[in-house]
Amino acid sequence: DTGVSQDPRHKITKRGQNVTFRCDPISEHNRLYWYRQTLGQGPEFLTYFQNEAQLEKSRLLSDRFSAERPKGSFSTLEIQRTEQGDSAMYLCASSLVLADNEQFFGPGTRLTVL
Amino acid sequence: GENVEQHPSTLSVQEGDSAVIKCTYSDSASNYFPWYKQELGKRPQLIIDIRSNVGEKKDQRIAVTLNKTAKHFSLHITETQPEDSAVYFCAALPGFQKLVFGTGTRLLVSP
Repeated sequence: DTGVSQDPRHKITKRGQNVTFRCDPISEHNRLYWYRQTLGQGPEFLTYFQNEAQLEKSRLLSDRFSAERPKGSFSTLEIQRTEQGDSAMYLCASSLVLADNEQFFGPGTRLTVL
Repeated sequence: GENVEQHPSTLSVQEGDSAVIKCTYSDSASNYFPWYKQELGKRPQLIIDIRSNVGEKKDQRIAVTLNKTAKHFSLHITETQPEDSAVYFCAALPGFQKLVFGTGTRLLVSP
């Protein structure tokens, strides 16, 4: 499968625990995005990278959230001290800067905070 | 910032009928408008997109129209089939960065 992949697909954690998600973009894509989707809503932008540089962060991304893309390939999203309001689907997408802006989404990681 | 509104929130049609979903956007700098289809528990899949220099685009049973002056764009699905049942999201791209999504339309196509 040459599409965007995410791991894990599901994560159940207790409030206060830290969690980390991974995204592997399409190999030649230099832009990588993180979105959050809650039930019945469209995806909401969290942050994006161009190569290894994090270029924008949403106000939705509190200090408990951190994202990295150390070598410009895969990315991780960490949530510290999880809260019940963090329960959502976390989607990763990738695109080529010089292409037609098409963003291809991964299958998502569904987080449930108990 | 950009704001995208989408209507209707739910749409029920009979197989073979046409379905139309409408979106409006607020930021005149938006230049790219994709539509995604999301089936239950699955990733959003790009089904068609349109750029600001084009007024209409078709791909088999799917078409998208864009009115830049009025800042609205629409998805048209003809000859609907039960497998078209899903949630459809419109989105706008202000500049060359993040997508701003609408709230989604749940389409149900009854046999």
